[in-house]
Amino acid sequence: QQKVQQSPESLSVPEGGMASLNCTSSDRNFQYFWWYRQHSGEGPKALMSIFSDGDKKEGRFTAHLNKASLHVSLHIRDSQPSDSALYFCAAIVGDNSKLIWGLGTSLVVNP
Amino acid sequence: EAAVTQSPRNKVTVTGGNVTLSCRQTNSHNYMYWYRQDTGHGLRLIHYSYGAGNLQIGDVPDGYKATRTTQEDFFLLLELASPSQTSLYFCASSDIQGSNERLFFGHGTKLSVL
Repeated sequence: QQKVQQSPESLSVPEGGMASLNCTSSDRNFQYFWWYRQHSGEGPKALMSIFSDGDKKEGRFTAHLNKASLHVSLHIRDSQPSDSALYFCAAIVGDNSKLIWGLGTSLVVNP
Repeated sequence: EAAVTQSPRNKVTVTGGNVTLSCRQTNSHNYMYWYRQDTGHGLRLIHYSYGAGNLQIGDVPDGYKATRTTQEDFFLLLELASPSQTSLYFCASSDIQGSNERLFFGHGTKLSVL
């Protein structure tokens, strides 16, 4: 079973709208969650990390972590066509601090 | 911003062929990684290294060798390529492992094994 599960698999939002992506870890021994974004033809690029309960905001991006439920979400405000990409959640888990990747959410922002 | 350069960008080979994928990072990062990306599987770690001469086995190492010749250079070797190794390969680097490591990725190498 995938230790880091992302939902939905794909998401379509209108330009200017809010995109919400979800990620859940099945391993309670996590240290950090990371969000990465991958545009077509490029490698993934780190967006932001979070390890404390609550919200972390960077520009139009807000990550929210609930440690009790092992759930992290990423909210993109005022979505732009340039936000269309594959978004990965990754968790650093375990005593050996291994990085575990989700399968990704494909986001399309329609002009 | 950390720079990770991969070559070639595209490679086509035949079953049983030898392939070497190259990666260079210019930010003096200690850790370097090789991943493969496949639809339905996400990113899977093949091998990684924490310094010149060091090699660690990842999650999907079968059929792959790797070598870290310098701080900057990390190579992935497929000595008897098979169609199942057709994939998009990424190299990445990071300054630390664990804790709050942030990976910097190259643009990828698309490998087709016919």
